[in-house]
Amino acid sequence: GAVVSQHPSWVICKSGTSVKIECRSLDFQATTMFWYRQFPKQSLMLMATSNEGSKATYEQGVEKDKFLINHASLTLSTLTVTSAHPEDSSFYICSASEQPNTEAFFGQGTRLTVV
Amino acid sequence: AQSVAQPEDQVNVAEGNPLTVKCTYSVSGNPYLFWYVQYPNRGLQFLLKYITGDNLVKGSYGFEAEFNKSQTSFHLKKPSALVSDSALYFCAVRDMGGSGNTGKLIFGQGTTLQVKP
Repeated sequence: GAVVSQHPSWVICKSGTSVKIECRSLDFQATTMFWYRQFPKQSLMLMATSNEGSKATYEQGVEKDKFLINHASLTLSTLTVTSAHPEDSSFYICSASEQPNTEAFFGQGTRLTVV
Repeated sequence: AQSVAQPEDQVNVAEGNPLTVKCTYSVSGNPYLFWYVQYPNRGLQFLLKYITGDNLVKGSYGFEAEFNKSQTSFHLKKPSALVSDSALYFCAVRDMGGSGNTGKLIFGQGTTLQVKP
């Protein structure tokens, strides 16, 4: 299947700093990518839909000024957690699919710990 | 609104026995259904999908799922479980409604499968 690469796999940062997470589709182009957040032993919570060349669509309750999403090309979307706080510590996962009606492929996830 | 339910938080099965992980769905139109598996601290791996066609769908690692329209179910099955199948399993439906059709996935709450030797 198609490959989605997410980087970094884990990151530790200090409170108040910003962290950028990258999501790349390696062998296909994705006009749309998705960013999820997952708490331990829980399901994935969709945070936002990343649209190439336009603004991201955020789910209700997700702060767009805190979780900045940029989808500058058909193979790269980035999520920046700004002014991170310990409660932002979580597992963040991205996904992409070639077409809206085909299966989504997921990155390996990023474990963010804010200290 | 579209939704997915996985009624079991955990399923326990002995190695070599058949396994079933349950999933029911609610959609307004034709369902696009998926199963994914997640190992600890990893992203999700695609197992199989139902878009149209045969109700019995075969996927990766010997898994299969049966689409049942009358019961609105899409249970995941495997004839003989392996210890290495122990993981977290997610059922998902693709939201094809509304304008813009981004095709976002709606996930069930997940079911932990524990296969014991």
